[in-house]
Amino acid sequence: EPEVTQTPSHQVTQMGQEVILRCVPISNHLYFYWYRQILGQKVEFLVSFYNNEISEKSEIFDDQFSVERPDGSNFTLKIRSTKLEDSAMYFCASSDYPHSYNEQFFGPGTRLTVL
Amino acid sequence: DAKTTQPTSMDCAEGRAANLPCNHSTISGNEYVYWYRQIHSQGPQYIIHGLKNNETNEMASLIITEDRKSSTLILPHATLRDTAVYYCIVSGGTSYGKLTFGQGTILTVHP
Repeated sequence: EPEVTQTPSHQVTQMGQEVILRCVPISNHLYFYWYRQILGQKVEFLVSFYNNEISEKSEIFDDQFSVERPDGSNFTLKIRSTKLEDSAMYFCASSDYPHSYNEQFFGPGTRLTVL
Repeated sequence: DAKTTQPTSMDCAEGRAANLPCNHSTISGNEYVYWYRQIHSQGPQYIIHGLKNNETNEMASLIITEDRKSSTLILPHATLRDTAVYYCIVSGGTSYGKLTFGQGTILTVHP
């Protein structure tokens, strides 16, 4: 069964450093998403991406964040200058359609720890 | 997106049906009801979705009231592996697939 994969599973970084979280969505999917979950809190939407541009983003997704689909398979989330409060589990998801017709498939997540 | 209300926690005996309720009284006509679950700290997993008709798949059944203001997710024969947080999410309209997760219902299945 096709699945979304994410690397690394755990990333530890120093405050102020840049990190890139990587995701490989399901191959025929066209819509891509990033969510995050701070420990003990709700899963929060960050951004949706389609046709090489951002479709929607939350207020969390400020100028420190960016997304990119550098090739035909990877989808990345970059945090330019990490803060302590960026420590969270980051989930990538993909779907055939943005809503209604198909479900979003989530990856296993990358746990980001900012020291 | 319309807000949803779910009980904080529920228990169920293994092998019995688990019925998880959700209220979404402000749902609009073009919004769908989705159910996802999250086992421990894994990525959320899609279960089922519907607009106004009842739906069934290999995992669960979704019963939506006629006025669409509430729904019930039914796991017909709960197993220990169904212990998870279950999220009822209303999504659609102009949102590009954005899912707004609440706190969900913690379902504990007991032996």
